[in-house]
Amino acid sequence: DAGVIQSPRHEVTEMGQEVTLRCKPISGHDYLFWYRQTMMRGLELLIYFNNNVPIDDSGMPEDRFSAKMPNASFSTLKIQPSEPRDSAVYFCASSSFGRPAPPSGGLDGEKLFFGSGTQLSVL
Amino acid sequence: AQTVTQSQPEMSVQEAETVTLSCTYDTSESNYYLFWYKQPPSRQMILVIRQEAYKQQNATENRFSVNFQKAAKSFSLKISDSQLGDTAMYFCAFMKQFGANNLFFGTGTRLTVIP
Repeated sequence: DAGVIQSPRHEVTEMGQEVTLRCKPISGHDYLFWYRQTMMRGLELLIYFNNNVPIDDSGMPEDRFSAKMPNASFSTLKIQPSEPRDSAVYFCASSSFGRPAPPSGGLDGEKLFFGSGTQLSVL
Repeated sequence: AQTVTQSQPEMSVQEAETVTLSCTYDTSESNYYLFWYKQPPSRQMILVIRQEAYKQQNATENRFSVNFQKAAKSFSLKISDSQLGDTAMYFCAFMKQFGANNLFFGTGTRLTVIP
């Protein structure tokens, strides 16, 4: 498997423009996460999906941010309109949490696999 | 709420030496997972090692090992025989066993291996 694939790797845009970040999770994974990394706030969860359904979006900073997962192999994170304070690295991660409770199994289900991130710069 | 604290913003170690990175966490959960992730300059987040809280035995992965002290809520990472490729940011992370399955990250420790 190619791992979690994110695009674009770098995005430079002007304030007020719409930005769309894309993610393809690992095939078979049923959880998908969007994280944002900044120097000031570190890594923070924005939203996560289970079986394409948003479970927790409490980390989405404001209405300018939206995320969708139309199918098991694709997700988008959209910022509209973008602002300079949105500049950050945005990571997508996936995992397979459909596991039995320990100690009988599920040793790898809790591992998150991350994409290479999208470096977003809003000028 | 879960919090993860890494009190060492930066550390350095001589090549071939051993270094220990500290991590403490706060939770009311009894069962959970702890992780160390490595982020080299390439930006990729790489899982280094994982520990299940219900296991008393400390996890080991080649040159990487942890010292897990559940009562103290401490989870340190030891890197033996440090290599130049170990230079990276290291993040400690926490995950509940049940319920929300997202990772809570510490603020990271920047490790530099000196040749």
